[in-house]
Amino acid sequence: EAGVAQSPRYKIIEKRQSVAFWCNPISGHATLYWYQQILGQGPKLLIQFQNNGVVDDSQLPKDRFSAERLKGVDSTLKIQPAKLEDSAVYLCASSLEINTEAFFGQGTRLTVV
Amino acid sequence: AQSVTQPDIHITVSEGASLELRCNYSYGATPYLFWYVQSPGQGLQLLLKYFSGDTLVQGIKGFEAEFKRSQSSFNLRKPSVHWSDAAEYFCAVGAGQAGTALIFGKGTTLSVSS
Repeated sequence: EAGVAQSPRYKIIEKRQSVAFWCNPISGHATLYWYQQILGQGPKLLIQFQNNGVVDDSQLPKDRFSAERLKGVDSTLKIQPAKLEDSAVYLCASSLEINTEAFFGQGTRLTVV
Repeated sequence: AQSVTQPDIHITVSEGASLELRCNYSYGATPYLFWYVQSPGQGLQLLLKYFSGDTLVQGIKGFEAEFKRSQSSFNLRKPSVHWSDAAEYFCAVGAGQAGTALIFGKGTTLSVSS
């Protein structure tokens, strides 16, 4: 069984630039999550999708972050414009249902300079 | 609001010694509880989970955890640590049918000395 795929693995951008991350969940998983993990901290939920609908985006900084999950499969997370404090690892995860076991991708490490 | 506390930021254990990582949670109902491990540059791997039933849960790599409702704890244990266990460990709570995702603690970094 293929795992959660994320790309790119690493990204370095200047502040005020835009960036996009891509996630392909495990086949058949209805729930998809994007987490932000700042160095030295635990992952923090940014947004949760159930199929192609948003379940929870209460911690997503909507003035600069956006995410979509077209057709309920792949998802894209975008930051525009980026700030220095956005430097973090962005983890995508998927699960069969809400609050069942979540499987994580390897993450995208973003550095904003 | 749900929360998870991992009191120990960093623990060093000798190889072959036993290990216990602490986790306390705050949640009104019966929680779903998880332990994940993260090696440098890698994503999170699930070690074990508790949904219901037996409060002593066995996981992969020889780890186990015990759910204690009276203490709101879900401590992770391993009887004999191997050098390859050095990593960061995260406890997480899921809020059952409430529709919220996992809430993670800040993690405990485990170092293993020879």
